[in-house]
Amino acid sequence: GNSVTQMEGPVTLSEEAFLTINCTYTATGYPSLFWYVQYPGEGLQLLLKATKADDKGSNKGFEATYRKETTSFHLEKGSVQVSDSAVYFCALDGHYTGANSKLTFGKGITLSVRP
Amino acid sequence: KAGVTQTPRYLIKTRGQQVTLSCSPISGHRSVSWYQQTPGQGLQFLFEYFSETQRNKGNFPGRFSGRQFSNSRSEMNVSTLELGDSALYLCASSLQRGLYEQYFGPGTRLTVT
Repeated sequence: GNSVTQMEGPVTLSEEAFLTINCTYTATGYPSLFWYVQYPGEGLQLLLKATKADDKGSNKGFEATYRKETTSFHLEKGSVQVSDSAVYFCALDGHYTGANSKLTFGKGITLSVRP
Repeated sequence: KAGVTQTPRYLIKTRGQQVTLSCSPISGHRSVSWYQQTPGQGLQFLFEYFSETQRNKGNFPGRFSGRQFSNSRSEMNVSTLELGDSALYLCASSLQRGLYEQYFGPGTRLTVT
């Protein structure tokens, strides 16, 4: 079945540091890939997405590129801010792999950014 | 446009009781999915409803059920509650099934004592 693996956390960075959060996936076919962010006490917000190989999703300074050859969708940001402190989830939608329309999530990683 | 709303936001129940959670999707959205979030298992898919029909179901026991109404609002029910059912239950809506973004509500925090 489909699965998403995220790097172990938590991650603590200083403000303006470079961020990389690794995400790899297992799926047949051509899933869509997503990054969601969850701030304390809130639900999930879609951060960015990519629907086909080599697509780059970007939003709020975050970027991730859909790499089919390495089955990866790593999240990057050049300069993190304190307000980026949250839990980040990598996810895939297996709709076109026959798994119907549902999201499979990684375990999430907590990012803390200190001033 | 109003986002996905879930009621109640917090709930405390006792083992053996049943509970009903409600979700109102974004206006115009027809697909509603439910997820359970726990520290141990993370985010797990419960079920998806579209046009008042359950289209997909995750690997949960039959105690977990749901339904969708003609206005796309959805409810999920958990019967014979167990301690392990304590979780954040998230509802997500999307315009249609398939490659459409899912928008999440703030969740209902269920505590079973």
